[in-house]
Amino acid sequence: GQNIDQPTEMTATEGAIVQINCTYQTSGFNGLFWYQQHAGEAPTFLSYNVLDGLEEKGRFSSFLSRSKGYSYLLLKELQMKDSASYLCAVLLTGGGNKLTFGTGTQLKVEL
Amino acid sequence: EAGVAQSPRYKIIEKRQSVAFWCNPISGHATLYWYQQILGQGPKLLIQFQNNGVVDDSQLPKDRFSAERLKGVDSTLKIQPAKLEDSAVYLCASSAVPTGTYEQYFGPGTRLTVT
Repeated sequence: GQNIDQPTEMTATEGAIVQINCTYQTSGFNGLFWYQQHAGEAPTFLSYNVLDGLEEKGRFSSFLSRSKGYSYLLLKELQMKDSASYLCAVLLTGGGNKLTFGTGTQLKVEL
Repeated sequence: EAGVAQSPRYKIIEKRQSVAFWCNPISGHATLYWYQQILGQGPKLLIQFQNNGVVDDSQLPKDRFSAERLKGVDSTLKIQPAKLEDSAVYLCASSAVPTGTYEQYFGPGTRLTVT
């Protein structure tokens, strides 16, 4: 089976840095996605990692270690609008390029 | 570039009634996905189409759910009869797979409430 774990909730302060972790155990791996989902809205793409290492994109960075089955999303200079759910999703190998999602981490940014 | 379109945005029905959702993917995207997202959970794939063929429907409750993508563009997801546990947001997504990137683009979703 597929297992993707991430914390349910996190709280951070505006202007700070927060790291959201994701661990996975899946049958097959073809990359890892991070999506942001505001309440009542559709998920929007943040990052895609297929090789080990850090990918930086503005205030957001994503890291992958395939040997450890581990990824994190790093958000810098937090803003109130970053309050959202952050979904970790593994792209499985095999027919279909299927995405399997974690349950999401609800991030609350406070003043 | 227009995004993924879905309708309706909201639907309230009674249990045992039927309901249908419509999705129009991004132009040129060969692959279309239907997900079910229950409150507080991540999206769960129900069915995946590539053009008008089904690639994966292993998690689709086939006794009550059906989906089609007849001309390889628009798609319809139907529930008949609905149960209380079907209350969820139904998300449609599309991607350029197999010719493009793996990134999936999501529509705004249909929020279904079954009473």
